[in-house]
Amino acid sequence: GEDVEQSLFLSVREGDSSVINCTYTDSSSTYLYWYKQEPGAGLQLLTYIFSNMDMKQDQRLTVLLNKKDKHLSLRIADTQTGDSAIYFCAESLNNDYKLSFGAGTTVTVRA
Amino acid sequence: DSGVTQTPKHLITATGQRVTLRCSPRSGDLSVYWYQQSLDQGLQFLIQYYNGEERAKGNILERFSAQQFPDLHSELNLSSLELGDSALYFCASSFGQGGRLKDTQYFGPGTRLTVL
Repeated sequence: GEDVEQSLFLSVREGDSSVINCTYTDSSSTYLYWYKQEPGAGLQLLTYIFSNMDMKQDQRLTVLLNKKDKHLSLRIADTQTGDSAIYFCAESLNNDYKLSFGAGTTVTVRA
Repeated sequence: DSGVTQTPKHLITATGQRVTLRCSPRSGDLSVYWYQQSLDQGLQFLIQYYNGEERAKGNILERFSAQQFPDLHSELNLSSLELGDSALYFCASSFGQGGRLKDTQYFGPGTRLTVL
């Protein structure tokens, strides 16, 4: 989606933390989502954050939202080989029906 | 497993042909969304149905159409297929119409369409 931008690639060593960044342009975004797509598979919802929150933690995942800068990040602690995938940031707007996706960040975990 | 099912998993056809992709939403979900994922366009929203009625249209070509049946399953019809229609087509479902937490979309595994 043209309103959501992500860096395209990230390489990280196994056991390190991964940080995937996303910027969005629409200030009326209500919910922001992170989806994971493994090779040959569909989109798996990882986590979401409501626009009035700054941070959300869910096990190894931490989502940070800077609403002023319209910046969203996903941190994966203790990255494992199974975390290798494409990660999509997506936004939904108030009363809007569709999700607008970024281009996806391909995360490669090396041993 | 998201609970959203899509058939077929793969589809190979020729230019000019017509195909139908099928989606069954999660139990209890009333909305079905269709998305197209291609290398050059990324993930693009095509169309949404809510409880049998069309609710929103995105970047859907006139050659494409969809419907949602009384049992809430949905079909996406693609006709006069062109090489550029080759893509992964995802269906997603949600309880409501969108924009709220309970409207979080859950995606099916996708149908990979190859047009030769």
